[in-house]
Amino acid sequence: EIVLTQSPATLSLSPGERATLSCRASQSVNNYLAWYQQKPGQAPRLLIYDASNRATGIPARFSGSGSGTDFTLTISSLEPEDFAVYYCQQRSSWPSWTFGQGTRVEIK
Amino acid sequence: EVQLVESGGGLVQPGGSLRLSCSASGFSFSGYPMHWVRQPPGKGLEYVSAIPTNGRTTYYADSVKGRFIISRDNSKNTLFLQMSSLRIEDTGVYYCVTVVAAVPYWGQGALVTVSS
Repeated sequence: EIVLTQSPATLSLSPGERATLSCRASQSVNNYLAWYQQKPGQAPRLLIYDASNRATGIPARFSGSGSGTDFTLTISSLEPEDFAVYYCQQRSSWPSWTFGQGTRVEIK
Repeated sequence: EVQLVESGGGLVQPGGSLRLSCSASGFSFSGYPMHWVRQPPGKGLEYVSAIPTNGRTTYYADSVKGRFIISRDNSKNTLFLQMSSLRIEDTGVYYCVTVVAAVPYWGQGALVTVSS
């Protein structure tokens, strides 16, 4: 099973600051890596798929990068609505997808 | 537009059974593998089960193997998850998920509560 490790567990930042979230895989996921945002009581919202492709309707301040085993989600300038939990997910290994444990972005 | 709508969640006692459904639209359902993912209250996302297009060689996480059965009815564009011998730790929101043209799509989820 491919293990995804997200860091940091919690990121304390102010609105307008840049957020950098990391996701590391235990083996290559061939760029089949997605990022989600989740707020309480809501389903995960797709932000990025295949490592760097922004999903429909996602603002340009969200960007994904990386390849192989190391991936990054960057939020260039935090808006108030961006404070949430973020998950990475790999779909490289059929059928067993795996998820990271999540990074909480909180208001400093 | 791809849409996935789960139903069938509810409150069940430990040891009981429940059947979740996921109605799909906006894509050629029979041509895509389908998945179930769950999220216990206050916790992260956990992969539960998967089924290929022809319904054979299904996959289960160890935590549900032998208790859950995934199936699909391609004529009705519907995915199912039959859950038996339910445990308190099966409590959570269950999502059906698929990937179309590299884009993952999720339903809004069905809440399953296992409690006496």
